Amino acid sequence: EAGVAQSPRYKIIEKRQSVAFWCNPISGHATLYWYQQILGQGPKLLIQFQNNGVVDDSQLPKDRFSAERLKGVDSTLKIQPAKLEDSAVYLCASSSFLRVRSGNTIYFGEGSWLTVV
Amino acid sequence: KNEVEQSPQNLTAQEGEFITINCSYSVGISALHWLQQHPGGGIVSLFMLSSGKKKHGRLIATINIQEKHSSLHITASHPRDSAVYICAAISGGGADGLTFGKGTHLIIQP
Repeated sequence: EAGVAQSPRYKIIEKRQSVAFWCNPISGHATLYWYQQILGQGPKLLIQFQNNGVVDDSQLPKDRFSAERLKGVDSTLKIQPAKLEDSAVYLCASSSFLRVRSGNTIYFGEGSWLTVV
Repeated sequence: KNEVEQSPQNLTAQEGEFITINCSYSVGISALHWLQQHPGGGIVSLFMLSSGKKKHGRLIATINIQEKHSSLHITASHPRDSAVYICAAISGGGADGLTFGKGTHLIIQP
């Protein structure tokens, strides 16, 4: 079974530039998550999709971050304009259920490492 | 709101040592994930457990739901075990149902 695919793996940009990350979840997984993980901290949920609908984007900085999952399969996360504090790993994950519960699990991608200079 | 605390934050040990990483949480949960994150890599789920103990190779995870505590043990540790270990409580907090700890950075020296 193919895992969660993310690209690019690494990106270095200057502040005020824009960047986009792409994620392809495990086939058949209706739920897709984007997490931000700052060095030394646990992942923080940015946005959760169920198919092509947004379930939760309460922690997404909407003035600069946007995400879409138009066809309910792959997704893109965009940052424009980037700030120094956006330097982090952006993790995509997928699950076959709306919420992680005992008995099912969540699968993470390799992550996209962003450095803003 | 569930708080998930891990200890220690950083751990350096010699190859072959027995390793214990602890995770405690403040609110009752249905299950807990132990995740492994290698430098430059993504996150891999090691265990998901809701009671008792699970073992996979040299890794053992235990959980005590009543005491709100879980431990991850590594026997006969090896340098390739060096990674960040994160516990994530499945408690219903947030849309995704997960509350993450900050992680334990483990280094095993040869």
